[in-house]
Amino acid sequence: ILNVEQSPQSLHVQEGDSTNFTCSFPSSNFYALHWYRWETAKSPEALFVMTLNGDEKKKGRISATLNTKEGYSYLYIKGSQPEDSATYLCALTDNQAGTALIFGKGTTLSVSS
Amino acid sequence: EAQVTQNPRYLITVTGKKLTVTCSQNMNHEYMSWYRQDPGLGLRQIYYSMNVEVTDKGDVPEGYKVSRKEKRNFPLILESPSPNQTSLYFCASSPGAVNTEAFFGQGTRLTVV
Repeated sequence: ILNVEQSPQSLHVQEGDSTNFTCSFPSSNFYALHWYRWETAKSPEALFVMTLNGDEKKKGRISATLNTKEGYSYLYIKGSQPEDSATYLCALTDNQAGTALIFGKGTTLSVSS
Repeated sequence: EAQVTQNPRYLITVTGKKLTVTCSQNMNHEYMSWYRQDPGLGLRQIYYSMNVEVTDKGDVPEGYKVSRKEKRNFPLILESPSPNQTSLYFCASSPGAVNTEAFFGQGTRLTVV
């Protein structure tokens, strides 16, 4: 069974802080890497889908990078705001299984004002 | 509005009483899937469907059935629910199976007593 690891499990920052999380995956199984944002009592929403080594994607204050050779992706949030409080999920599309999204357990971010 | 709609949002049922959770999407997506979310675990795929009349097992299919008679609908059937199926369930759809973002429904919180 493939393992997608996310760290840290949770973190608490102050408004205005910048932060980043890590998603690690087996590099030999890489096909695509997804990031989702999941707010409490809502459904997960897609942030990025990344497929190429060295990919960098940005949406507002949130950006992500991808290293498929070493098997990791970073998600960055610049100038955190209370509305950024959520669980951030990464998911791997495995080149063997092809169709399944294999999710990590998520990083829960809490931003205090 | 593009969306994935699940019903019901909340359900409490008794062991052995058959139930169906409906899922409908209005985006003409070919790929649909069901996940369950349990504390301490990532989202795990139950079943997926690549297109009408094409379904396959995910990581945790035991105790579940699905059907895909129309493109827009992908119901999840629990023929004889058991307490270990108490969970938060999400339906998702996407244009393709691999490197396109998934759109999630609002979730169904199921309790089996």
